[in-house]
Amino acid sequence: GIQVEQSPPDLILQEGANSTLRCNFSDSVNNLQWFHQNPWGQLINLFYIPSGTKQNGRLSATTVATERYSLLYISSSQTTDSGVYFCGLDDAGNKLTFGGGTRVLVKP
Amino acid sequence: NAGVTQTPKFQVLKTGQSMTLQCAQDMNHEYMSWYRQDPGMGLRLIHYSVGAGITDQGEVPNGYNVSRSTTEDFPLRLLSAAPSQTSVYFCASSIDRGTPYEQYFGPGTRLTVT
Repeated sequence: GIQVEQSPPDLILQEGANSTLRCNFSDSVNNLQWFHQNPWGQLINLFYIPSGTKQNGRLSATTVATERYSLLYISSSQTTDSGVYFCGLDDAGNKLTFGGGTRVLVKP
Repeated sequence: NAGVTQTPKFQVLKTGQSMTLQCAQDMNHEYMSWYRQDPGMGLRLIHYSVGAGITDQGEVPNGYNVSRSTTEDFPLRLLSAAPSQTSVYFCASSIDRGTPYEQYFGPGTRLTVT
């Protein structure tokens, strides 16, 4: 099956800093999503982005499908950005395979 | 819309007990699935369904049963709970018209098996 690797595993940021999270995958994909798992455990959809670039407020994401990676950018980070960020993807449908996540802590 | 709902939020079972985790969605989504998340890890697919009457296994199906009698509901049954099934369980749904669509997750059920 498809392999997914996220980096870095942990990230500590000062409030206001920018950061980039990376998701590498082993095969071409038709379905890629970024999620934020908040400290209460809820999974929040950030982006559905099998290819191209999208922006939503301080967050943006880029997927370069031909090179098998996706990036999530967080700008002007806030303490509410703390949590774990996951990418989930599938090569042919809706059966997502998840990476191990990047744990983000934003300090005030 | 309530989206994807799951009950219960928390559950403690003894080894060997059985129970059913409930999942419902009100978005008329064809596709529904169950994932488990173990501490410090990403989610892994247990079972999924592309419509009423159709189910299939995911990556970690052993010890779990599912059925899909309606579009709205997709319950997950633990037949004989084991400590290895201690985990957080998430249900998800999406449109399924032959191409992938964005998936929406429920709030999760935290299960402890002693």
